Amino acid sequence: GDSVTQMEGPVTLSEEAFLTINCTYTATGYPSLFWYVQYPGEGLQLLLKATKADDKGSNKGFEATYRKETTSFHLEKGSVQVSDSAVYFCALNAGGTSYGKLTFGQGTILTVHP
Amino acid sequence: NAGVTQTPKFRVLKTGQSMTLLCAQDMNHEYMYWYRQDPGMGLRLIHYSVGEGTTAKGEVPDGYNVSRLKKQNFLLGLESAAPSQTSVYFCASSRWDQETQYFGPGTRLLVL
Repeated sequence: GDSVTQMEGPVTLSEEAFLTINCTYTATGYPSLFWYVQYPGEGLQLLLKATKADDKGSNKGFEATYRKETTSFHLEKGSVQVSDSAVYFCALNAGGTSYGKLTFGQGTILTVHP
Repeated sequence: NAGVTQTPKFRVLKTGQSMTLLCAQDMNHEYMYWYRQDPGMGLRLIHYSVGEGTTAKGEVPDGYNVSRLKKQNFLLGLESAAPSQTSVYFCASSRWDQETQYFGPGTRLLVL
């Protein structure tokens, strides 16, 4: 079945450090890929997405590129801020008869210190 | 617009008690979902609905029932709560032709 694997956390960084959170997936067909972010005490919100191979999603300084050859969708940011502290979830939508249903990774906790 | 709202925010139950979680959305979305979030396991889909009057099972449906009598509401019921159902429950909605889901703030449930 479909699955998403994220790097183990938690991740702790100093402000202005470079961030990478790894995400790999297993799916049949051509899924759409997502990064959702969950700030403390809140629900999830979409951070960025990519719908086909080689697409790059970007938002708020975060980027991720859909790599079909390595089945990956790693999240990056060049300079993190304290306000980026949150839980980050990688997810996929396999499409077809599974359209609308998201499969999530386990989440990665990010803490950024001043 | 309020987006997706959930009631209640927090609840404590004793084993064997029943309760209903309410999800409401004001975006006229066709699809609605219930997830549970457990540490180290991400979010897992419990049940979902593709329209008023229709529901379907997700990945972890056992012990839960749902109903979608109105397009804007999606109810999640626990008939006989068990400690294994201690979790944070999230409702989400989406348009039928878009993949992006919009999430509510969550309900934290503790079953003793």
